[in-house]
Amino acid sequence: QQQVKQSPQSLIVQKGGISIINCAYENTAFDYFPWYQQFPGKGPALLIAIRPDVSEKKEGRFTISFNKSAKQFSLHIMDSQPGDSATYFCAADNYGQNFVFGPGTRLSVLP
Amino acid sequence: DSGVTQTPKHLITATGQRVTLRCSPRSGDLSVYWYQQSLDQGLQFLIHYYNGEERAKGNILERFSAQQFPDLHSELNLSSLELGDSALYFCASSVDSPTYNEQFFGPGTRLTVL
Repeated sequence: QQQVKQSPQSLIVQKGGISIINCAYENTAFDYFPWYQQFPGKGPALLIAIRPDVSEKKEGRFTISFNKSAKQFSLHIMDSQPGDSATYFCAADNYGQNFVFGPGTRLSVLP
Repeated sequence: DSGVTQTPKHLITATGQRVTLRCSPRSGDLSVYWYQQSLDQGLQFLIHYYNGEERAKGNILERFSAQQFPDLHSELNLSSLELGDSALYFCASSVDSPTYNEQFFGPGTRLTVL
């Protein structure tokens, strides 16, 4: 019940395309859903996050869509750039008590 | 720069040895988390400390232990090292408020066990 599922495992997108990564959770107590971006050899860094009281959050080219009833959320990267090539982790948290990461998606944006 | 520091950056040691990884959280953060990331793998949660007390344990081996000191820095001790322990070890810190949960990750310590 604590698991967060993430798909796809890897994704290849052309420059300018839309990258979409999906996550699903079971625990309805989760109240915070962040996405982290990790470049090779670096620590993950927060990209964007959402709480379940909103269905969408947009920051620049990055958008989180949240479907509370389906217990799913997704990251959309518009106008994908080669510099976006990284591993993306979704995560879920329960009031700071139980932080769970998805297994990650390796994104490659081709020039 | 996240404000979280980890030392050392790299560590090379032999099987059977013991090492200590150190983490200093961001100023004001009371929580420290430790994660293990093996090659091309996800982030495996090891343990969470809050203000000196263990709060949650993940997939941490019995050969591994951690503590958080009064100045809030934390150490992860790995003993009887095996080849499979080679990985990147990250610590993260957070304010750990009910309304703000962001974890800030350090640059990691790369452990190589030969």
